[in-house]
Amino acid sequence: NAGVTQTPKFRILKIGQSMTLQCTQDMNHNYMYWYRQDPGMGLKLIYYSVGAGITDKGEVPNGYNVSRSTTEDFPLRLELAAPSQTSVYFCASSYSGQGSSPLHFGNGTRLTVT
Amino acid sequence: GESVGLHLPTLSVQEGDNSIINCAYSNSASDYFIWYKQESGKGPQFIIDIRSNMDKRQGQRVTVLLNKTVKHLSLQIAATQPGDSAVYFCAENPGANNLFFGTGTRLTVIP
Repeated sequence: NAGVTQTPKFRILKIGQSMTLQCTQDMNHNYMYWYRQDPGMGLKLIYYSVGAGITDKGEVPNGYNVSRSTTEDFPLRLELAAPSQTSVYFCASSYSGQGSSPLHFGNGTRLTVT
Repeated sequence: GESVGLHLPTLSVQEGDNSIINCAYSNSASDYFIWYKQESGKGPQFIIDIRSNMDKRQGQRVTVLLNKTVKHLSLQIAATQPGDSAVYFCAENPGANNLFFGTGTRLTVIP
């Protein structure tokens, strides 16, 4: 199994541009998550999904959107990129909710907005 | 949000020694705790977890201790190896579908 795969690995955006960060998992996990990681800070939850067609906001959802049309894929959309969105983004999945099973993370997308 | 802190931001140990990484959590309602290891340029990797009805759990070369009285979590790594050099995060789940992560401790193993 490849686990959780994220693309691209790196991206530079200009202010106001938009992009989609891709995430796919091959473990047949129902739960998927998007986190951002800023230097010296813990991971912050952006959005999560408990199954295809169901998404919900996390701690820091502003400026982002998600969709979950299949079990495998959970893309994160940035509209009107801002410098505050410069961060490393991690997608994760789990067999059940975060209160009962560990998350499996991808290797991240490093995004710079200038 | 929840506060999950670490006593030490960096830790250096000699190869072969045991390492202890500490973590303080703030929410007494948290019932699930996880330790992750993150190597440079990679995503966090699950190490070990523990539920609040336990005070100790052992894995391969790792042990997690949970002290609910003082809201303290620790990760012990036996016979630390150079490959253990990484940032280690603790995370707590106080209920609902969210984990709260600490800022991490950087472990450096000196050959």
